Amino acid sequence: DQQVKQNSPSLSVQEGRISILNCDYTNSMFDYFLWYKKYPAEGPTFLISISSIKDKNEDGRFTVFLNKSAKHLSLHIVPSQPGDSAVYFCAASISSGTYKYIFGTGTRLKVLA
Amino acid sequence: NAGVTQTPKFQVLKTGQSMTLQCAQDMNHNSMYWYRQDPGMGLRLIYYSASEGTTDKGEVPNGYNVSRLNKREFSLRLESAAPSQTSVYFCASGPSTDTQYFGPGTRLTVL
Repeated sequence: DQQVKQNSPSLSVQEGRISILNCDYTNSMFDYFLWYKKYPAEGPTFLISISSIKDKNEDGRFTVFLNKSAKHLSLHIVPSQPGDSAVYFCAASISSGTYKYIFGTGTRLKVLA
Repeated sequence: NAGVTQTPKFQVLKTGQSMTLQCAQDMNHNSMYWYRQDPGMGLRLIYYSASEGTTDKGEVPNGYNVSRLNKREFSLRLESAAPSQTSVYFCASGPSTDTQYFGPGTRLTVL
């Protein structure tokens, strides 16, 4: 049973446009969410996080939106750059401060120059 | 400052063989983790160590053992490798539970 789902395996976007990556979860107890980026042959790198007490968190070109009623979060990248081409994972946990995160299966983003 | 290093980068084993994956971090982090990544499965936590001297099971611990040798090093051992353990293994460390810094991974194939 996949508790964290990224239903789009891949996404292509033109350089300069907005990239929107989606993530759905089934466990209503999840209250802390993270996004990671992964390049080939490298480990994931942390991008941005959000707590369930917020519905939006912004860091430069990256914004994460959380819709608790829909159990849905999204990562917006504006403007998209070719260097953003990577696999993006969302992860969820029950409370910040735990050690156990459930990861989604990832979405491969390709930004076209 | 190397961050999180993992050895080896690649390994091929025969069923039943044993091996240890090594992980070291030079960031003075308390927490360390072992994940595996399989196609279509995302990353799954095998074991974690909240601090030196402690280890706990994650989501998929069966078939693995770990040792937190000291604050820097956290090893993962496969006592009797099985084809189902073919995967990419990532070690991570963090100053807190909310931030994890990952190593480059070890690609393991069990024949």
